[in-house]
Amino acid sequence: SAVISQKPSRDICQRGTSLTIQCQVDSQVTMMFWYRQQPGQSLTLIATANQGSEATYESGFVIDKFPISRPNLTFSTLTVSNMSPEDSSIYLCSVEWSSHRTGELFFGEGSRLTVL
Amino acid sequence: GENVEQHPSTLSVQEGDSAVIKCTYSDSASNYFPWYKQELGKGPQLIIDIRSNVGEKKDQRIAVTLNKTAKHFSLHITETQPEDSAVYFCAASNDNAGNMLTFGGGTRLMVKP
Repeated sequence: SAVISQKPSRDICQRGTSLTIQCQVDSQVTMMFWYRQQPGQSLTLIATANQGSEATYESGFVIDKFPISRPNLTFSTLTVSNMSPEDSSIYLCSVEWSSHRTGELFFGEGSRLTVL
Repeated sequence: GENVEQHPSTLSVQEGDSAVIKCTYSDSASNYFPWYKQELGKGPQLIIDIRSNVGEKKDQRIAVTLNKTAKHFSLHITETQPEDSAVYFCAASNDNAGNMLTFGGGTRLMVKP
């Protein structure tokens, strides 16, 4: 399975600021996703990070709030913009790395953001 | 879209006992059902999965069963150990349609030594 590294692992941020989370995979992957896990809650898909094109966002998530980049097959970033305390969550990078779609997802360790 | 319900939300068992977590799903087209274990401060880890062409799958102390007619699937952990304590998530998807995983609400399992 792929090794998925996320940075930062945790951060404390001030209201109104923005933070960029990085996800690095040690091998080329087909699909990369970003999930949000609010405190004590389940995982909610934010968007699919598409290589070389705009990300595909799920209902309730917009590009202005969560801009995503994916410049190549091993790296992606998620920015949480103009943060408010409601954005305090764990943000998880996930990959599907088999050459054909099997549905198996592997997750990074997550980036725990606290917004004051 | 798909909706996945998971029960119970918390489960406490004595070491050595069995634990069962149940999930129901709404989309009859779903055909892939993974289970994830999330330990404190870590990302979810895939522990077992099942596809709709089988009814049961085992891997050492864990097993998953699937009832397509009733649209529910379950995780069974036998001979529980303290290191099994974690949050467990079920999920469902229709990977033929390229759909993303929909996760259940999670079950916090506590195994008392």
